[in-house]
Amino acid sequence: NAGVTQTPKFQVLKTGQSMTLQCAQDMNHNSMYWYRQDPGMGLRLIYYSASEGTTDKGEVPNGYNVSRLNKREFSLRLESAAPSQTSVYFCASSESLGDTGELFFGEGSRLTVL
Amino acid sequence: KNEVEQSPQNLTAQEGEFITINCSYSVGISALHWLQQHPGGGIVSLFMLSSGKKKHGRLIATINIQEKHSSLHITASHPRDSAVYICAVGNQFYFGTGTSLTVIP
Repeated sequence: NAGVTQTPKFQVLKTGQSMTLQCAQDMNHNSMYWYRQDPGMGLRLIYYSASEGTTDKGEVPNGYNVSRLNKREFSLRLESAAPSQTSVYFCASSESLGDTGELFFGEGSRLTVL
Repeated sequence: KNEVEQSPQNLTAQEGEFITINCSYSVGISALHWLQQHPGGGIVSLFMLSSGKKKHGRLIATINIQEKHSSLHITASHPRDSAVYICAVGNQFYFGTGTSLTVIP
């Protein structure tokens, strides 16, 4: 089982460029999440999708958009990258929304915006 | 605002020592999660618990829902336990900033 797969693992962008982080899970999970991890701070929720066809903002959604393409895939798009978006991004999934289900993470995507 | 507080932030131990990492939270929860993040960056789930105690090998997690507090214990610590340990709570998950553990041979 691949679990949660996210691509790319590394990316360098110039300010103003756009890019999409891709995430796919093969566990038939309903809920998917995008987090960013910055030094000295805990993981922070950017957007989440409780189920196929729904998306909602998290704690730090500004500058990002998401698409829940189908049950397996949840992508994160930066339309006009800014240096403040330099971070490590993690995609995660769980069987359903709520803290009673185990959370599975992708390996992370390290993004640098120059 | 910090919904989740962990202590200590950093911890260095000699191999074989008993280790305790603490997590306090302020939100209502159904369960609390302990995660492990290795130096390579990957994050894995260690425990999900809603009451009492759970044990996996040398790792023990306890929770007191009334006091909104959980502890992660590692018995007979080993250098391979070196990692960042993170607690998480809440429906969309609030995360602590993590405890960086280094176990010295």
